[in-house]
Amino acid sequence: EVQLVESGGNLVQPGGSLRLSCAASGFTFSSYWMSWVRQAPGKGLEWVANINKDGSEKYFLDSLKGRLTISRDNAENSLYLQMKSLRAEDTAVYFCARAMYDSSGSFDFWGQGTLVTVSS
Amino acid sequence: DIQMTQSPSSLSASVGDRVTITCRASQSISSYLNWYQQKPGRAPNLLIYGASSLQSGVPSRFSGSRSGTDFTLTISGLQPEDFATYYCHQSYSTLQTFGQGTKVEIK
Repeated sequence: EVQLVESGGNLVQPGGSLRLSCAASGFTFSSYWMSWVRQAPGKGLEWVANINKDGSEKYFLDSLKGRLTISRDNAENSLYLQMKSLRAEDTAVYFCARAMYDSSGSFDFWGQGTLVTVSS
Repeated sequence: DIQMTQSPSSLSASVGDRVTITCRASQSISSYLNWYQQKPGRAPNLLIYGASSLQSGVPSRFSGSRSGTDFTLTISGLQPEDFATYYCHQSYSTLQTFGQGTKVEIK
């Protein structure tokens, strides 16, 4: 059974940093592009970033470039999102998702999400 | 960036109704258009990929179609479990985008 389990969400002060993790199981992690998608409270879905199978290609939402790092450890079946200089508007549930086929694939499996709250 | 304009933002319907939700892309995205259903407090669930392919395990009352840069999700015979929010998603561009969502409520 495919499972994606996010962790690392927390309450953080404006300007702070946070590292989110996504533990994958039930499939060959190294064979899939992976993405992060976020959802602010009461709002819609927003694609954040994705990474290719071996971690050599990475793409980010323009407004977040420079503040985010996406990475993966295929030996540990884990995906990461490092966020810095956090702002109130970064408050959201962050989901990791698996992309079907390749970079242009739909997201066929999602984690349950981890909540990031940016507030003083 | 490619903008996805989804409409309506909400609708009220009754069990058994046929419901149509539309998404328009700001430029060509071929058929790289996907539809998701999301219920409160839950992760999204893939319904349709590639504009018209039904994801495994999704009821056949859900269908998708494409006409140029216009995409449609149709629910034929709305069921109680279908009351939720629906999102379109373009995966054509390296910078992917979602529509604003359509909340389907009980009339």
